Amino acid sequence: NAGVTQTPKFQVLKTGQSMTLQCAQDMNHEYMSWYRQDPGMGLRLIHYSVGAGITDQGEVPNGYNVSRSTTEDFPLRLLSAAPSQTSVYFCASSYNYEQFFGPGTRLTVL
Amino acid sequence: RKEVEQDPGPFNVPEGATVAFNCTYSNSASQSFFWYRQDCRKEPKLLMSVYSSGNEDGRFTAQLNRASQYISLLIRDSKLSDSATYLCVVLSSGGYQKVTFGTGTKLQVIP
Repeated sequence: NAGVTQTPKFQVLKTGQSMTLQCAQDMNHEYMSWYRQDPGMGLRLIHYSVGAGITDQGEVPNGYNVSRSTTEDFPLRLLSAAPSQTSVYFCASSYNYEQFFGPGTRLTVL
Repeated sequence: RKEVEQDPGPFNVPEGATVAFNCTYSNSASQSFFWYRQDCRKEPKLLMSVYSSGNEDGRFTAQLNRASQYISLLIRDSKLSDSATYLCVVLSSGGYQKVTFGTGTKLQVIP
């Protein structure tokens, strides 16, 4: 049981580039979410999904897209990277309100 | 006022000490409460849920005070391995879009 996996672990982008952060879980959880963590800000919800084919916006969705074609996968797309998107990104799946986090992706946008 | 507030610390305590953290929340309709632990440069992990009646897990005790809108975490007999950041998490009505994380309280246990 791998739990929640995320790739890549580290990424450096230039302003304006696009990329997809991958997230997968093997626990058959319906709920998945993406957070960003910035110093002094706590984790903030970007997008979440309550099941395959269903996604919704969280607190800070601008500049990000998600899709959920399968229960297992929940990729996060950065459309046109900006320095303000420099952060640590965590994907989580949830069961009975307990959240299981992936190891995170450290993203730097230059 | 932030929805969930925590003292960022750091709390520097000697091994064996008892330490307590509080977390205040502003939404009186909040339904569920949790403490997560986050080690440096790692992902958060659930430490314990916080029930209305309070709950205890070994050296850790969590309590909820709805009247004053805060939750607390007490750690007894601190170990070096307890050094981490402790995140308060509040779930309000509305489902997963209303999960709010505190910024965390950093604990450093000193030999």
